Amino acid sequence: DAGVIQSPRHEVTEMGQEVTLRCKPISGHNSLFWYRQTMMRGLELLIYFNNNVPIDDSGMPEDRFSAKMPNASFSTLKIQPSEPRDSAVYFCASSRIRGVISGYTFGSGTRLTVV
Amino acid sequence: GQQLNQSPQSMFIQEGEDVSMNCTSSSIFNTWLWYKQDPGEGPVLLIALYKAGELTSNGRLTAQFGITRKDSFLNISASIPSDVGIYFCAGQFNDYKLSFGAGTTVTVRA
Repeated sequence: DAGVIQSPRHEVTEMGQEVTLRCKPISGHNSLFWYRQTMMRGLELLIYFNNNVPIDDSGMPEDRFSAKMPNASFSTLKIQPSEPRDSAVYFCASSRIRGVISGYTFGSGTRLTVV
Repeated sequence: GQQLNQSPQSMFIQEGEDVSMNCTSSSIFNTWLWYKQDPGEGPVLLIALYKAGELTSNGRLTAQFGITRKDSFLNISASIPSDVGIYFCAGQFNDYKLSFGAGTTVTVRA
């Protein structure tokens, strides 16, 4: 099992540029989550997909953020335009069934720096 | 979301010592989870607790789900250098959303 795969591992971009983060969940997991981690705010849930459908996007900071899950094996989180305050580590996690019966499995994260 | 208070915020431990950390909440949870995060990696699930009063072990780790359903603790016995990292508690009330604590940073004292 390759686990949850995220790319890129590190991203440095200039303010105003578009950033796309990618995630491949564990095969067979039907729930996918995007989290953001910062020193100030800890781990924050941005959006939750179940069976490729966005269920809860109340954590998405603003319209500059968007997420898609076109199929069961791929999801993207896009920031356009990016701002320095978006600098954080972004994690994707997946889970089987709707919940934590098998626990969330997190990817290794994408460290985003916006300069 | 629900607020989780995790303590201590950080700790220095001597190799071989037993370590304890806990989480409290103003709201009840149906599930408590404990995760560990190593530098540059995502959190990894250590222990999951599903019933009030449940006591579960995973090697040198022991965790308990409080009777009130508003708290949980994690114990690490005979700590070793690889226990260094950030430990997070997480609580779940409904079927998908986790609330995370702020984390306990564990450092081994040389």
